[in-house]
Amino acid sequence: KAGVTQTPRYLIKTRGQQVTLSCSPISGHRSVSWYQQTPGQGLQFLFEYFSETQRNKGNFPGRFSGRQFSNSRSEMNVSTLELGDSALYLCASSPNGALQETQYFGPGTRLLVL
Amino acid sequence: AQKITQTQPGMFVQEKEAVTLDCTYDTSDQSYGLFWYKQPSSGEMIFLIYQGSYDEQNATEGRYSLNFQKARKSANLVISASQLGDSAMYFCAMREGKTSYDKVIFGPGTSLSVIP
Repeated sequence: KAGVTQTPRYLIKTRGQQVTLSCSPISGHRSVSWYQQTPGQGLQFLFEYFSETQRNKGNFPGRFSGRQFSNSRSEMNVSTLELGDSALYLCASSPNGALQETQYFGPGTRLLVL
Repeated sequence: AQKITQTQPGMFVQEKEAVTLDCTYDTSDQSYGLFWYKQPSSGEMIFLIYQGSYDEQNATEGRYSLNFQKARKSANLVISASQLGDSAMYFCAMREGKTSYDKVIFGPGTSLSVIP
């Protein structure tokens, strides 16, 4: 099976712009979670989608949003970019997001905001 | 309060030696899952091992084993026969069982360097 894929891998934006990141989960996985990783804050949970519905949300401002399509692919959008949004954005998938299920991660998208 | 604590920001180990990476967690749930991930400098998170709170035996996966002490809320990762390729960040993570799909919480990580 192909792993989790994320596009683009690298992105450079300027403050005030918006950005959309894409994640394709492992085939058959319906749960997709997004994380932000920075040197200062570590790995922080953004949100989780399951069957096109957001089930969980972390403590991020409304500028961070996401959606999931019927084929389980997910997109994450950040509007009005700030310098502090520079980070590695990781997407992870699992079959149903259940307690004992392992999340499998994609390679991440490195976003740099100038 | 920190849900996952990894007290070793950085560690060194000699090649072929064993190393233990510490992880303590905080939860009031009886049902939860514990995970260890490896993150090389490339950035991708690689799943290593899983331990369920009701599992009576410690999990093992090849050179990785998990020393699970439930009463102490401890889930230490043991890597046997370290290899140069083991140099990476290691994250302990937990999913609690309040609902069937609670989010996964990660610890701050431990940077492991394997010395030839």
